[in-house]
Amino acid sequence: EPEVTQTPSHQVTQMGQEVILRCVPISNHLYFYWYRQILGQKVEFLVSFYNNEISEKSEIFDDQFSVERPDGSNFTLKIRSTKLEDSAMYFCASRETGHGSPLHFGNGTRLTVT
Amino acid sequence: AQSVTQLGSHVSVSEGALVLLRCNYSSSVPPYLFWYVQYPNQGLQLLLKYTSAATLVKGINGFEAEFKKSETSFHLTKPSAHMSDAAEYFCAVSNNNAGNMLTFGGGTRLMVKP
Repeated sequence: EPEVTQTPSHQVTQMGQEVILRCVPISNHLYFYWYRQILGQKVEFLVSFYNNEISEKSEIFDDQFSVERPDGSNFTLKIRSTKLEDSAMYFCASRETGHGSPLHFGNGTRLTVT
Repeated sequence: AQSVTQLGSHVSVSEGALVLLRCNYSSSVPPYLFWYVQYPNQGLQLLLKYTSAATLVKGINGFEAEFKKSETSFHLTKPSAHMSDAAEYFCAVSNNNAGNMLTFGGGTRLMVKP
């Protein structure tokens, strides 16, 4: 069964550094998402992306965050200047067209900011 | 605005016993509802979804959930728990717009005792 893949599985970075989290969505999916889960907290929506532009974003997704689909397969999340509170598990997800079609999630990237 | 409340952050059952994980939602539009399961160090896997067809929804691994509009509930059940069911379970609601952004509940950790 096709799946969403995320790399790396674990990323450690120093405060103030830029990080790029990478995702390869399922190939025929057109909607892409990033969610995050701070340890012990809820899974939170960050951003959705369709037709090469952001369709929705949450308050968390401020100017420090950006997303890009640099080619036909990858979907990336960039954090320009990481803060300690950015430490979390970041999940990429994708879905096909159609209302109610479910999101398929990757295994996540655990980001640790020191 | 949408929200999801999962009653009980931890539920413990004996192997072979009934599993009942509670989920109540709030939505200003007819909701799409989902249950996801997260095994340790893994991503979110879709268990089942409700998209306005049958109110009783059957999912993978013997789980099912019933949509009750009058109670704004979507509780997850399984007649007989297995040790392998131990995981964290998340209820989620999405809007009907093209973004299909998911709002998650806080999660319920299911523990299964031998």
